[in-house]
Amino acid sequence: EPEVTQTPSHQVTQMGQEVILRCVPISNHLYFYWYRQILGQKVEFLVSFYNNEISEKSEIFDDQFSVERPDGSNFTLKIRSTKLEDSAMYFCATRDRSAFFGQGTRLTVV
Amino acid sequence: QKEVEQNSGPLSVPEGAIASLNCTYSDRGSQSFFWYRQYSGKSPELIMFIYSNGDKEDGRFTAQLNKASQYVSLLIRDSQPSDSATYLCAGELTSYGKLTFGQGTILTVHP
Repeated sequence: EPEVTQTPSHQVTQMGQEVILRCVPISNHLYFYWYRQILGQKVEFLVSFYNNEISEKSEIFDDQFSVERPDGSNFTLKIRSTKLEDSAMYFCATRDRSAFFGQGTRLTVV
Repeated sequence: QKEVEQNSGPLSVPEGAIASLNCTYSDRGSQSFFWYRQYSGKSPELIMFIYSNGDKEDGRFTAQLNKASQYVSLLIRDSQPSDSATYLCAGELTSYGKLTFGQGTILTVHP
């Protein structure tokens, strides 16, 4: 069964450093998303991406965040200068009519 | 603010029983609803989605949508201990739009 693949599974970074989270979507899916889940809290929408541009973003997705699809396969989320409060699970999701989530990247900012 | 609300539980049912999970939403324009299962420390796994009023069945799972009451539910028949997890309800306002999640209901199925 096709699946969404995320790397790395766990990333530890120092405050102020840049991180890039990677996702390989299901091959025939055209809609891509990033969500995050802080420990013990709801899954929160960050950004959606379609046709090589952002289609919607949340208030969380400020200037420190960016997304791109650099090579037609990977879909990346970059956080330019990480803060302690960015520590969370980050999920990539892709969809046709259904919405499928990757296994997540646990980001820990120290 | 568009909200999806779930009773956080925990909901405890005996093995073999029917577990009933409920979700309400505030935006009447919501198009579709998704049910996910999430084990601790893992990602959401899609169970099913529903967009028409009424029932939709898939194996042991039945989703129910009542748009007039702004209410979605998930029934799990013949509950198994392996069904013990957090169940997430999510709604979308537009097709292929963002999903808005509830806080999840913790389900425990005891032998």
